[in-house]
Amino acid sequence: KQEVTQIPAALSVPEGENLVLNCSFTDSAIYNLQWFRQDPGKGLTSLLLIQSSQREQTSGRLNASLDKSSGRSTLYIAASQPGDSATYLCAVRRDDYKLSFGAGTTVTVRA
Amino acid sequence: EAGVAQSPRYKIIEKRQSVAFWCNPISGHATLYWYQQILGQGPKLLIQFQNNGVVDDSQLPKDRFSAERLKGVDSTLKIQPAKLEDSAVYLCASSEGLPNEQFFGPGTRLTVL
Repeated sequence: KQEVTQIPAALSVPEGENLVLNCSFTDSAIYNLQWFRQDPGKGLTSLLLIQSSQREQTSGRLNASLDKSSGRSTLYIAASQPGDSATYLCAVRRDDYKLSFGAGTTVTVRA
Repeated sequence: EAGVAQSPRYKIIEKRQSVAFWCNPISGHATLYWYQQILGQGPKLLIQFQNNGVVDDSQLPKDRFSAERLKGVDSTLKIQPAKLEDSAVYLCASSEGLPNEQFFGPGTRLTVL
């Protein structure tokens, strides 16, 4: 069974600081990993999808890395803004296509 | 392009009552997912369809939950009878194919009293 852990559960940073969010998983036989953003009371918005063959994926201020052998992915958000305040979740899809989500990291960016 | 549609957005029921949620995925998306998200937790996959066939329903409490996707397009998730612990947000997502990027709807917030 795939266990997905996101630590810390919550994070507060001043505006302009870079954010580093962690996602760890127990089974390295993964197909892909997806990062999402969730605003309060809303559904999930897809940020980045990394295939198992990729080491990283970038979109604007966002960069996600993947290290399958160590069971880790990191989401970097450069120059954080108050609008980046949200909960960030990672979802890991195994080779058999089964999906597991982490509980998320709630980020607050202080103006 | 229209996103994933869900209704209703909110529902309040008494325990032991039944409730149904509806989802319409993005046009052309073959894979549809239903998730349960309890406050403070990540989404838990309940059931996954590929067209109108079930791919994974290993975490669906089949004694009270049921789901169908009869024509391979929209889907209905039903709870009968509801329990207090079913209070959660029910999220629907879709993707072009089984391992592809998922897109989520706004969710239905269920409160069981």
